[in-house]
Amino acid sequence: EIVMTQSPATLSVSPGERATLSCRASQSVSSNLAWYQQKPGQAPRLLIYGASTRATGIPARFSGSGSGTEFTLTISSLQSEDFAVYYCQQYNNWPRTFGPGTKVDIK
Amino acid sequence: QVQLQESGPGLVKPSETLSLTCTVSGGSISSYYWTWIRQPPGKGLEWIGYIYYGGSTNYNPSLKSRVTISLDTSKNQFSLKLSSVTAADTAVYYCAREGGWSSGHSLFDYWGQGTLVTVSS
Repeated sequence: EIVMTQSPATLSVSPGERATLSCRASQSVSSNLAWYQQKPGQAPRLLIYGASTRATGIPARFSGSGSGTEFTLTISSLQSEDFAVYYCQQYNNWPRTFGPGTKVDIK
Repeated sequence: QVQLQESGPGLVKPSETLSLTCTVSGGSISSYYWTWIRQPPGKGLEWIGYIYYGGSTNYNPSLKSRVTISLDTSKNQFSLKLSSVTAADTAVYYCAREGGWSSGHSLFDYWGQGTLVTVSS
């Protein structure tokens, strides 16, 4: 099983600032990496797939990068609706695995 | 627009079997991996497994001995059974579609709203 780790666990950011979230895989997942956003009481929402491709309807302030074992999600200028928990997930191998999440909260 | 909706008991007794159904609307249940994912309260996401249209299944090894996922194409539904539950199985259970294959990737692109199942006597 591929183990996904994320850092930091919590990121405190002021609105308008940049947020950088990290994700690491225990072995290479190539570019088969997705990012999801989850708000309280809601299902996760797909943000990024293929490590860097924004899903339909996702604003350009969200960007992803990386390949192999190291990945980054960047939110260029945080809006109020972006405060949430973000999960990375690999789909290179079975079972599918998720990282433990990074909570982005208001500073 | 594809929509998924979970249904089933919100309370299950320890040692019994958890049973949930996901109804798919707005699209056919043909093709795709129809998936169950769970999230214990305040914790992260765990992939449980999927069933494919043809009936093939794939389960998380950590749950494999207790999980059965089945498909009813006539009703556009798929179901989850998890046996011998304990308090550790208390979670929000999501059904989801893994697809998006035309992009060359395999994505959880549609999700149900989730249903909380509590294991308690």
